Amino acid sequence: DIVMTQAPLSSPVTLGQPASISCRSSQSLVHSDGNTYLSWLHQRPGQPPRLLIYKISSRFSGVPDRFSGTGAGTDFTLKISRVEAEDVGVYYCMQATQLGTFGQGTKLEIK
Amino acid sequence: EFQLVESGGGLVQPGGSLRLSCAASGFTFSSYWMHWVRQAPGKGLVWVSRINSDGSITTYADPVKGRFTISRDNAKNTLYLQMNSLRVEDTAVYYCAVSQGGTPGNWGQGALVTVSS
Repeated sequence: DIVMTQAPLSSPVTLGQPASISCRSSQSLVHSDGNTYLSWLHQRPGQPPRLLIYKISSRFSGVPDRFSGTGAGTDFTLKISRVEAEDVGVYYCMQATQLGTFGQGTKLEIK
Repeated sequence: EFQLVESGGGLVQPGGSLRLSCAASGFTFSSYWMHWVRQAPGKGLVWVSRINSDGSITTYADPVKGRFTISRDNAKNTLYLQMNSLRVEDTAVYYCAVSQGGTPGNWGQGALVTVSS
């Protein structure tokens, strides 16, 4: 089974400043079809998750361009260029290359 | 606009069964793969199962394999999750989601399943 490890697990950030979350997989996420099914989701308290990024770096419909994803193979990063108040919550990476696995989640909070 | 509404959750005793439904609207349901994902109270997200657009391919996470069955009725625009031999550790909010780019994209609001004696 593929294990997804996120860091940090908690991230206090200042409004307007950048933030970054790392996600590492226990094995390569490159699928036999050539795609890498690594995505990032955001969940606010009491709400269902919302897809931000899929296939490493593609922004989902309606997602602001301050969110970006990078990486390859086993190491991936979500970056928020300038954190806004609505960005608080928990961020999850997820792999769908082999079945599906989520990371533990990273809680983003405002300093 | 993608709309998903889960139903069928509730309280069930250990060893019991429950069937969740996910009613889809606002998109061509029969064209999309679908996922079930769960979240235990205060915990993280756990992927449960996935089904392809015509229902011929299904995959499951190890903890539910052999106990849960995913299915769909494209004529009724509805996704199902039949859950048998339920355990206390299956207690969670269960979300259905439309697969977008291979990952759960648009999500429903979830249905709470509580397994307790």
